[in-house]
Amino acid sequence: GDSVTQMEGPVTLSEEACLTINCTYTATGYPSLFWYVQYPGEGLQLLLKATKADDKGSNKGFEATYRKETTSFHLEKGSVQVSDSAVYFCALRNDNQAGTALIFGKGTTLSVSS
Amino acid sequence: DAGITQSPRHKVTETGTPVTLRCHQTENHRYMYWYRQDPGHGLRLIHYSYGVKDTDKGEVSDGYSVSRSKTEDFLLTLESATSSQTSVYFCAISESELAGEQFFGPGTRLTVL
Repeated sequence: GDSVTQMEGPVTLSEEACLTINCTYTATGYPSLFWYVQYPGEGLQLLLKATKADDKGSNKGFEATYRKETTSFHLEKGSVQVSDSAVYFCALRNDNQAGTALIFGKGTTLSVSS
Repeated sequence: DAGITQSPRHKVTETGTPVTLRCHQTENHRYMYWYRQDPGHGLRLIHYSYGVKDTDKGEVSDGYSVSRSKTEDFLLTLESATSSQTSVYFCAISESELAGEQFFGPGTRLTVL
């Protein structure tokens, strides 16, 4: 079945460092891809999305490009801030399958220190 | 922020007792979902609804039932709670199934002793 694999955390960075969180997927057809962020004690918020190959999603300085050839959707940010400390989830939705919800990776914890 | 509330936000109960969690939305979205979040597992789908009285099972539905009698409310029931159901439960809504984008509630932390 469809699945999402994220790099294991925690990821610990200093403020202004570059961030990459790897995400790869396995899916039939042409899934839509998402990054969600969960701040401490809160629910998940959509960070960015891409619905077809080569699309780039971006928001709040974060970017991710839908790479069909490598089945990847890596999250990147050029300069992280302390406020970016959170858990990040990569997810997919397979638009070829009706009646299914999002399939999530296990999440990657990011901790940024000043 | 999407108008989604969950109640209760925290609950401690004992093994064998029934528990009902409520998700309420003010967005009039058709699709509603229940997930559980556990360390090392990410979020996993329990049940979902695609309309009033229309529901279906997700990946981890055993031991859970749901009901949706109104567009705005989606109830998750644990008929006889077990310690393995200790988790954080999230409700999500979506206007269009194919769009994929879901909006999440704040979560309910359930502890079964």
